[in-house]
Amino acid sequence: DTEVTQTPKHLVMGMTNKKSLKCEQHMGHRAMYWYKQKAKKPPELMFVYSYEKLSINESVPSRFSPECPNSSLLNLHLHALQPEDSALYLCASSQELQGAYNEQFFGPGTRLTVL
Amino acid sequence: RKEVEQDPGPFNVPEGATVAFNCTYSNSASQSFFWYRQDCRKEPKLLMSVYSSGNEDGRFTAQLNRASQYISLLIRDSKLSDSATYLCVVPKGSGTYKYIFGTGTRLKVLA
Repeated sequence: DTEVTQTPKHLVMGMTNKKSLKCEQHMGHRAMYWYKQKAKKPPELMFVYSYEKLSINESVPSRFSPECPNSSLLNLHLHALQPEDSALYLCASSQELQGAYNEQFFGPGTRLTVL
Repeated sequence: RKEVEQDPGPFNVPEGATVAFNCTYSNSASQSFFWYRQDCRKEPKLLMSVYSSGNEDGRFTAQLNRASQYISLLIRDSKLSDSATYLCVVPKGSGTYKYIFGTGTRLKVLA
């Protein structure tokens, strides 16, 4: 099973709302990622968790707050977003093997619109 | 030089044609390479991984040229369903979880 699931599929929120995006994988992968993708652009890395610890934060504004409750789950908490944050938010996971780069598997994404 | 570079296209080809895309990379130490396809408004899906000289899966062949630092993706007997954007992805380097994405090459297969 190479499936990563994400909920919700679509989300519309106002600039004062608080919402959360959820991601789940059951492949035993220990590295999980959040990406943001704008139309006609490649995905941009936001955060990486390795063994449930935050490994990379690509200078993402604090209105985005990641959380990794356990090895299968990854959340992205959203608060006070701006219209320019509207994008497709992709979760991905990969095996974590020392010194090796493994394929990432992506979830279907959450399409976020900020009004 | 960009870390990963692709021709954005679009490549418009008739059904049944053979088409090839190149992806150049700047880090000569890179050991693994990935091709993903991405349909409009969908997630990237892994098409092929390349760890040595190349890989083949049905109509798709990936070739690695380390001397010139590029990988190519060859699609034979193109189908309408092959229309998508093809992303070249290269890990940034040892000790990080960063993967560098090319800007993608758009393919349109025409009936």
